[in-house]
Amino acid sequence: GENVEQHPSTLSVQEGDSAVIKCTYSDSASNYFPWYKQELGKRPQLIIDIRSNVGEKKDQRIAVTLNKTAKHFSLHITETQPEDSAVYFCAEHTPLVFGKGTRLSVIA
Amino acid sequence: DTGVSQDPRHKITKRGQNVTFRCDPISEHNRLYWYRQTLGQGPEFLTYFQNEAQLEKSRLLSDRFSAERPKGSFSTLEIQRTEQGDSAMYLCASSLAHLNSPLHFGNGTRLTVT
Repeated sequence: GENVEQHPSTLSVQEGDSAVIKCTYSDSASNYFPWYKQELGKRPQLIIDIRSNVGEKKDQRIAVTLNKTAKHFSLHITETQPEDSAVYFCAEHTPLVFGKGTRLSVIA
Repeated sequence: DTGVSQDPRHKITKRGQNVTFRCDPISEHNRLYWYRQTLGQGPEFLTYFQNEAQLEKSRLLSDRFSAERPKGSFSTLEIQRTEQGDSAMYLCASSLAHLNSPLHFGNGTRLTVT
């Protein structure tokens, strides 16, 4: 069945540094790859998504890159801030299959 | 607030009891999804509807679980004969029907089975 692997499971960075989270997927037919952010005790919220017809998409400090040949996609957060601390989930397929999450801690 | 709403927010029940949760999606959204999330894990897909039709159900979903969306608006998720392993956050999400439309999640119903 569909499967998406996400790593690392935890990530600590200093404020202002960059953070990168990677996901690999198995279904070569997948063409939609969103990223969700979930703060403690809150609902997952979409922060950025990418479709298979592009290789990269940016939104201010957040970017996502996609390599369909290798079947992996990554989330990049630059100039990290304490409010970026949360759990981030990648997903693919329809209906969405989620990774296990990455807990990002930004240390001030 | 025009987001996805779920009721109740919390439910504590004894093992063996039945429970029912409700989800009201964003009004113009045709698709409605149920997910389950346990601590330290990502949301796990349970089932989803397009209008009133249940299009897919997870192979992992026990036959104690049933979901309905009778009029294509709100949905209910029922768990019969609850077990301690059913304790989790049950998340509802909705989206438009076109391909790859983003999911909007509700705040969830936290179930504790004692």
